Amino acid sequence: QKEVEQNSGPLSVPEGAIASLNCTYSDRGSQSFFWYRQYSGKSPELIMFIYSNGDKEDGRFTAQLNKASQYVSLLIRDSQPSDSATYLCAVKGSGGFKTIFGAGTRLFVKA
Amino acid sequence: DVKVTQSSRYLVKRTGEKVFLECVQDMDHENMFWYRQDPGLGLRLIYFSYDVKMKEKGDIPEGYSVSREKKERFSLILESASTNQTSMYLCASSSMRQGVGETQYFGPGTRLLVL
Repeated sequence: QKEVEQNSGPLSVPEGAIASLNCTYSDRGSQSFFWYRQYSGKSPELIMFIYSNGDKEDGRFTAQLNKASQYVSLLIRDSQPSDSATYLCAVKGSGGFKTIFGAGTRLFVKA
Repeated sequence: DVKVTQSSRYLVKRTGEKVFLECVQDMDHENMFWYRQDPGLGLRLIYFSYDVKMKEKGDIPEGYSVSREKKERFSLILESASTNQTSMYLCASSSMRQGVGETQYFGPGTRLLVL
C-alpha cells in the first residue's frame, strides 16, 4: 500500500512566524507532489505543486522536495490567521491516474 | 475557471435506500474521481474514471458503484445505504494535459447522513 504520511497536528504558530508542514511518502517512483489547503467545511484547493528536487517559491509559500529522503515540505512565511486550515499533501506516482492524499495537518495561526 | 458541481450539499437518507450523488465538471477533463473524507482518515478514493464509460476501483469501492455516460458527468451510487457510509463525499476532476502539474479540482462536497 503506497502511503503518504503527515503529522495531524494541530500545529500552532503566532502571526508573522514561519509555519513548517512536513510529509513523507513511500513510493520511490512518485513524480509529482502537491499541497492543497482545506478550510473547515470547504473542499481542498491547490496551493502549489513541485516535481524537481529543491525549492519552489510562490509568494509566501515555499515547497521543498527531497526525493532521496522521500520527503516534501511546505513553508508558509509571515503566517496570517487566514492561513488557519488543514493542509493536505498529495503524491502522484508514475504511469497511473491515482493521487494519494495524506490525512492532513491542521494549522492554527494565532493573532 | 474550472467548475465542479455536486448535486446536493446535504443529504439525509434511510438505511437500505439507493442513493445517487452526481458530479458535473465544465472543463472537458478526462479524469474524474469520487472520494470520501472522514475525520482522521483523510481522503480515500472510492472510484475513478479516465474516460467515458471507463471506471476503475479505488481503495474502498465496496458498497458503491459509479456511472460515466458523458464526459462531464460522473455519478456515485450507493446501492443500499448503510450507516457506515455517513461521510463527506467529494468529487474531483483533472486532465493529463496538465502534465506533471496535474491538479485535481474539487466540488463543494456532499455531506451524507444515513439514519
